[in-house]
Amino acid sequence: AQSVTQLGSHVSVSEGALVLLRCNYSSSVPPYLFWYVQYPNQGLQLLLKYTSAATLVKGINGFEAEFKKSETSFHLTKPSAHMSDAAEYFCAVSGLRNSGGYQKVTFGIGTKLQVIP
Amino acid sequence: DAGVTQSPTHLIKTRGQQVTLRCSPKSGHDTVSWYQQALGQGPQFIFQYYEEEERQRGNFPDRFSGHQFPNYSSELNVNALLLGDSALYLCASTKTSGRGEQYFGPGTRLTVT
Repeated sequence: AQSVTQLGSHVSVSEGALVLLRCNYSSSVPPYLFWYVQYPNQGLQLLLKYTSAATLVKGINGFEAEFKKSETSFHLTKPSAHMSDAAEYFCAVSGLRNSGGYQKVTFGIGTKLQVIP
Repeated sequence: DAGVTQSPTHLIKTRGQQVTLRCSPKSGHDTVSWYQQALGQGPQFIFQYYEEEERQRGNFPDRFSGHQFPNYSSELNVNALLLGDSALYLCASTKTSGRGEQYFGPGTRLTVT
């Protein structure tokens, strides 16, 4: 089985402060990991992905995430929050294939990021 | 390169009616997945289509059905609509041979009254 746990359904940071959104995963096979961002009334946009190459992954809008196998974590960070970063962020894991060979993607429940001026 | 497109953008239906939502995948993608996202919730997996067949299904009743066409586009059909079906319906496409990286469309907002 595979699963994702996002710690903190709501996170508030001041503008210019460090953003840290936590994600822990469980997977019986080497995982592929993703972070998505969703702005109100929009679809999900891929921020970054880990696919077994470099453990530190850089994404769009200044975000990055580090894959730590020993901690089964893939936390999302940004050094300095901007007002435009206010959105909901979803962590997702894939890698497990069903009996038909088709890959399953599992999403976390999401973390809403509030940026305070 | 066109991304994932969905139509319509918004839809209002009455309980008991039927609805069809449409999705065109990103160029080069052959697999389409549908998700339901209720207000304040994360995306819930409905089903996935590849080669015009349903390959995986989440925990949704048979009222939810789909179809994939030879050009990889897809439809989601929901029969006998309930108030609880009101949600944002998201389509995502990927390559089945890939690493699970999905690209999402903007969604269709369905309101059932």
